[in-house]
Amino acid sequence: DTAVSQTPKYLVTQMGNDKSIKCEQNLGHDTMYWYKQDSKKFLKIMFSYNNKELIINETVPNRFSPKSPDKAHLNLHINSLELGDSAVYFCASSRQGQGGGYTFGSGTRLTVV
Amino acid sequence: KQEVTQIPAALSVPEGENLVLNCSFTDSAIYNLQWFRQDPGKGLTSLLLIQSSQREQTSGRLNASLDKSSGRSTLYIAASQPGDSATYLCAVRLNAGNMLTFGGGTRLMVKP
Repeated sequence: DTAVSQTPKYLVTQMGNDKSIKCEQNLGHDTMYWYKQDSKKFLKIMFSYNNKELIINETVPNRFSPKSPDKAHLNLHINSLELGDSAVYFCASSRQGQGGGYTFGSGTRLTVV
Repeated sequence: KQEVTQIPAALSVPEGENLVLNCSFTDSAIYNLQWFRQDPGKGLTSLLLIQSSQREQTSGRLNASLDKSSGRSTLYIAASQPGDSATYLCAVRLNAGNMLTFGGGTRLMVKP
């Protein structure tokens, strides 16, 4: 009955590879997000997506791309992985309007070697 | 651009103490403010959500206040316990469709 679930929980991969992280929410929320938590534990928004628009943080390299097959899923694809991409990536969801709070997934720890 | 600051960055207290964590934000036109807890190596757990029209929210031993005009929120933890040890994150949302902006967190250690 997990509200926001991410897979995998851990991901170790070599530089230059392409990888994906999956995210699913069963809360009926209409907006999903990806956040990155760096080594200093600071959380920064990467993407915000609902069925109407994708908002991209301008600092995110275009090697990162979100893919949403339906309202309940927002997957993160990363091409040509670099060492600096190592971080914990969190998926989250919320309901637009109605004062909705955020619900976060448990995170995916990505290590690029 | 919204900036969120949390003070102190780290706090160590003996069990049983009441404590206050501070959060300040630069743009007072917020939609809501949310306090989270993050345990080491874990995800974020929502503690309290305060709408822009509200002054405070309470859940058990936790009380969060919001002063929008001065750009401040506080999280009050009563009778702290070792199980409260975690990083506490404050995050603000500017409008209904916007993303959360996080503070750097306060790392709390409650000693038995």
